[in-house]
Amino acid sequence: VQLMESGGGSVQPGGSLRLSCVASGFTFSYYEMMWVRQAPGKGLESVAYTSASGATTIYADSVKGRFTISRDDSANSVHLQISSLRVEDAAIYFCTRKMLFDPAFDIWGRGTVVSVSS
Amino acid sequence: QSVLTQSASVSGSPGQSITISCTGSNTDVGGHNSVSWYQHYPGKDPKLLIFDVSNRPSGVSDRFSGSKSGNTASLSISGLQSDDEAVYFCSSYSSDNMPYLFGSGTKVAVL
Repeated sequence: VQLMESGGGSVQPGGSLRLSCVASGFTFSYYEMMWVRQAPGKGLESVAYTSASGATTIYADSVKGRFTISRDDSANSVHLQISSLRVEDAAIYFCTRKMLFDPAFDIWGRGTVVSVSS
Repeated sequence: QSVLTQSASVSGSPGQSITISCTGSNTDVGGHNSVSWYQHYPGKDPKLLIFDVSNRPSGVSDRFSGSKSGNTASLSISGLQSDDEAVYFCSSYSSDNMPYLFGSGTKVAVL
């Protein structure tokens, strides 16, 4: 059972990236998923959430209108399209799986790093 | 930024017990019995230690225990060991826009 993120990199302010998270070892379509980030020297921040069906998506106010979460159950993956990048978006971005019946996150990836600089 | 407040660091000697706190509000920690705790070694994937305030997933040591009073949740670590040196994050379900919130993290040092 694991999650593996990819797609991070160094981008100029205003640029875009597409982060991906591939799941393995479990029935991906059953689970709600989230993207969580950690800026340098800071705590964790919830960025985006998707329900198991994908019908409900929720975003942190700080990224609303700039980030889009989507899932592809046929590929066991969840994506985060990030655009209009700001310096403050620089962080490690983690993909995480919410437990089926409890409000906690039992599987995490190791993260992918997004750097924003001119 | 993180909306659940944790002390920046806590330290203890091997064998001692320490407690980490996580303070929120009545729309998250205080309003739901949905606090969870995670252990994170930098560069690794975070590990779930506690869910629903005080429940341990299978395989997690009983040296880790959780509790809650009002808007503050706590994680206690007993019999402190060197490999407990890590950053610990809390999380809570929230009635606000984003349903899951995280804490600012507490770095535990074993002296």
